[in-house]
This record gives sequence, C-alpha cells and structure tokens, in this order.
Amino acid sequence: KNEVEQSPQNLTAQEGEFITINCSYSVGISALHWLQQHPGGGIVSLFMLSSGKKKHGRLIATINIQEKHSSLHITASHPRDSAVYICAVRSDYGGSQGNLIFGKGTKLSVKP
Amino acid sequence: ETGVTQSPTHLIKTRGQQVTLRCSSQSGHNTVSWYQQALGQGPQFIFQYYREEENGRGNFPPRFSGLQFPNYSSELNVNALELDDSALYLCASSLGNRVLEAFFGQGTRLTVV
Repeated sequence: KNEVEQSPQNLTAQEGEFITINCSYSVGISALHWLQQHPGGGIVSLFMLSSGKKKHGRLIATINIQEKHSSLHITASHPRDSAVYICAVRSDYGGSQGNLIFGKGTKLSVKP
Repeated sequence: ETGVTQSPTHLIKTRGQQVTLRCSSQSGHNTVSWYQQALGQGPQFIFQYYREEENGRGNFPPRFSGLQFPNYSSELNVNALELDDSALYLCASSLGNRVLEAFFGQGTRLTVV
C-alpha cells in the first residue's frame, strides 16, 4: 500500500463543473503539498498546508490532520485546468525523512 | 516559471551506457533533491544534496550517484543504464530543509533502449 493515495486516478469533467480530488496518507507529516503537473513534466506548486483550508482563485485545499486526509477542489472548472494533480507530503520519519512522498497523481481532463 | 532549469530536456540512451543530467537551482537555494517519475506514477525520491553533501537517499542502487557544486547546481549520474531507468527525472531546489517550498524544474525525459 502506498503511503500517499489519491482518488480518483482519472477524472473527466465538463467545463463549469465542481471538481474534488482526494488524498489520504498513512505517515506522520508536518505538512502537505498540492502540485500541478502539465504535459511535458513541469511541476507547479499550488498549495502548502498543515491545517484548515486555503483558497486561491478557483482552487480550494483542505486538510484534516486527525483523519490524514486532504482534498483539492476546483470551482467552475475550465479546460485549462486539465493537468495531473499530485499530492505530496513531507515525511517526518523513515528513509524519506524530511523529503517529499508523492501520490501517483490524478489526471484531470476538462472538456469544453 | 521557476528559476530551476534542467538539461537536457530529452535524452535517448542505450542499455549499459552512462548518463549525466544537470540541474541549476533557484537563486538563493542551497538544497537540491532529485526524483524519478515513471510513466503513470508519482515521483520517487532519489537523493538530496545540501551544501555539496548528500543529505538523504531513497531506495535507489549505488549506480545512481550525484554531485552538488559550490554554486549549488547539481548533477545526477546513472551508470549501467537499464530499460527500467526510462523515466522523467525531476530536480527541485529549496532552502535548507524547506522541501515543501521547493521549486521544480521541467524535468529530463530519459529513454533507455
């Protein structure tokens, strides 16, 4: 079982739909990162959060440390939101101590 | 765009060859982490360099090695390439251990044939 699990793996939506991507993790963490990866590979940071909720434009990220779960929401989705969304956590122990552990990503495709 | 640049962007190598990938870090950052991302998978931590010293390593064999230079740029070297080494190699620079504030490069797509 991966330490960071994302769901769904693939998501197709119509433009304007509200989208939710989920991330669950099994390790102790200090904070969690939502990243966006476009075709070609480049990764862009969206949010870094350790508690509560953050909002940036149409994107909202929430985290529940007790339940070890985070969600990324996109309101009024647009075709330019099409990308792979990756959840990453900073592990506090083990071989990856201090480094990022990534989920496999959720591939989002928004149709016009 | 971030200030992290990787070269080359694409590379094709033959099994058994050696390869060197390069990464220049964001200005002011002294830590570089390297990740391997196989197709359809999330990135996997290879190792991290902090002030020219290896500062942590993931579950990768010794034929994966690295260097960090005084200007904090970094190289990833892979010897005796195997077909399974085909992947996107990402580097990320950060300040100290603030890995969640890392900036990522565009990656190098390595294909081993």
